Amino acid sequence: QIQLVQSGAEVKKPGASLTVSCKASGYPFGAYGITWVRQAPGQGLEWMGWISGHNGETYYAQNLQGRLTLTTDTSTSTAYMELRSLRSDDTAVYYCAKMTAPPYNWFDPWGQGTLVTVSS
Amino acid sequence: QSVLTQPPSVSAAPGQKVTISCSGSSSNIGSNYVSWYQQLPGTVPKLLIFENDKRPSGISVRFSGSKSGTSATLAITGLQTGDEADYYCGTWDSSLSVGVFGGGTKLTVL
Repeated sequence: QIQLVQSGAEVKKPGASLTVSCKASGYPFGAYGITWVRQAPGQGLEWMGWISGHNGETYYAQNLQGRLTLTTDTSTSTAYMELRSLRSDDTAVYYCAKMTAPPYNWFDPWGQGTLVTVSS
Repeated sequence: QSVLTQPPSVSAAPGQKVTISCSGSSSNIGSNYVSWYQQLPGTVPKLLIFENDKRPSGISVRFSGSKSGTSATLAITGLQTGDEADYYCGTWDSSLSVGVFGGGTKLTVL
């Protein structure tokens, strides 16, 4: 079955960098993209960005431009999300999800989520 | 402030029907497909509807979606207590070249 497995919870200090991995299985990684979504405590879903599993094409949310980098390793079917200069309001659960390509913007399935806490 | 507008909460009795609206603009809902997600308390969001009105395999026929102009609607019939969850709409915004979500709607089954 199609599955996305994310790396474990992280605790980071303000100003640090974060990398979360998302390993895909059960489908041809290069035929689809990966979207990243985050959810702050008690808040709604926030779309962060999308990366193609085929050619590395990316789209980023405007408020994260300059701090966010999405990459993939096609040899291991793994996507990575790097967020730099962390702030306390980056505390959230981070999800990856399989998505075809814009504008076909639906996400299925989702990874299990990675809790990231940013605190001094 | 979300790009797509949803009511913060809706409620209805078991067995009844409820609708959740999602309002956008010509650059997002007006020109792209809408999807809907259910997030039960403490769980990962799950895709309910894609391409405005299509259900993935395994999703109950009690869930249906529609779109008209710059608005979309999720309808849930035969409400069950297990439907209590947060529901989110999402789409692509062609002007901004980003994905967008609604702020979410909390469904209470009284």
